[in-house]
Amino acid sequence: GDSVTQMEGPVTLSEEAFLTINCTYTATGYPSLFWYVQYPGEGLQLLLKATKADDKGSNKGFEATYRKETTSFHLEKGSVQVSDSAVYFCALDEGGATNKLIFGTGTLLAVQP
Amino acid sequence: NAGVMQNPRHLVRRRGQEARLRCSPMKGHSHVYWYRQLPEEGLKFMVYLQKENIIDESGMPKERFSAEFPKEGPSILRIQQVVRGDSAAYFCASSSDAYEQYFGPGTRLTVT
Repeated sequence: GDSVTQMEGPVTLSEEAFLTINCTYTATGYPSLFWYVQYPGEGLQLLLKATKADDKGSNKGFEATYRKETTSFHLEKGSVQVSDSAVYFCALDEGGATNKLIFGTGTLLAVQP
Repeated sequence: NAGVMQNPRHLVRRRGQEARLRCSPMKGHSHVYWYRQLPEEGLKFMVYLQKENIIDESGMPKERFSAEFPKEGPSILRIQQVVRGDSAAYFCASSSDAYEQYFGPGTRLTVT
């Protein structure tokens, strides 16, 4: 079945450092891809999405490009802030009749001042 | 427009008791999804419902778990005879079009 693999954390960075969190997927069709962020004690918030190959999703300085040839959707940000500390989840939408989401295991990002 | 509401936020049950988790979708949303997040893991799909119908329950354990989304009122995830392994965060998401899902804050269930 469809699956998502993302790099294990924790990822510890200093403020203003460059961030990359790797995400690759396996899917039989052409899924939509998402990044969600979960702050401590809260639910998931949609960070960005891409619906087809070569689409770039972006929000709040984060971006990710849907790469069909490498089945990847890596999350990047040029300069992280302490407030970006959270768990980041990569996910795909199986589509079909349910559109249920398949999630990666999450990557904890800790940004130090 | 209020977001997805879940209650209670925290629930403690002893082994063998029943747990009822409630989810009120965003206004105008008729699609509800339940996901479970075990400690140190990602979210796993459990069930997808529309009003009065279960559309996909492929992620639900075969026993003790049930879900409903009545014509009026919130969606309910019910766990009978809870065991320690049921301790997790349970998230509800709602959607107007079965595409973009909006998540609630979750219910953290602890079984003692």
